[in-house]
Amino acid sequence: AQSVAQPEDQVNVAEGNPLTVKCTYSVSGNPYLFWYVQYPNRGLQFLLKYITGDNLVKGSYGFEAEFNKSQTSFHLKKPSALVSDSALYFCASAEGGGSYIPTFGRGTSLIVHP
Amino acid sequence: DTGVSQDPRHKITKRGQNVTFRCDPISEHNRLYWYRQTLGQGPEFLTYFQNEAQLEKSRLLSDRFSAERPKGSFSTLEIQRTEQGDSAMYLCASSRKDSAYNEQFFGPGTRLTVL
Repeated sequence: AQSVAQPEDQVNVAEGNPLTVKCTYSVSGNPYLFWYVQYPNRGLQFLLKYITGDNLVKGSYGFEAEFNKSQTSFHLKKPSALVSDSALYFCASAEGGGSYIPTFGRGTSLIVHP
Repeated sequence: DTGVSQDPRHKITKRGQNVTFRCDPISEHNRLYWYRQTLGQGPEFLTYFQNEAQLEKSRLLSDRFSAERPKGSFSTLEIQRTEQGDSAMYLCASSRKDSAYNEQFFGPGTRLTVL
């Protein structure tokens, strides 16, 4: 069975500083990993995904994530945070074998202070 | 707006009543997913369709839950004999089949409150 852990319920960062939102995964086969963002009163939006290839994946709004197989992590990063990045961030993994059923973490609330 | 739409956005019902939610996916998407999200948790997968075929339904929470996608376009999720524990946000998402692990596009959700 697969699982995703987001160890931080909340991350606080000052505007202009780099941010990291942590995610670790546990899957039996090759990991297929995603980050989504949820703004207040809006649906989840896709940010980026790792399927194969380069360990550093670039996505929307200047976000990137680093896949680390040895640490089973897929942390979300941004070099310079904006107040508008404040939102709820979800890490997810998808099962292989054709079912493509995702498992989401419980989410991390990112608060960027002016 | 060509995104995923859900109707209604909010539903308040009394315990024991039946409720039905509708999801209209992005038109060219042939996969459609239903999730439940409770406060402080991530979306929890319920079921998904590829065109009109329901390929996974073992994770529907009980036999009170059912979903349909009769013509491979819109989908409905029905909860019969609602219970207070069914109160949650119900999310719908769609994606394309042509490439594995395509990102999903989510609707705004239907918030259900069972009194």
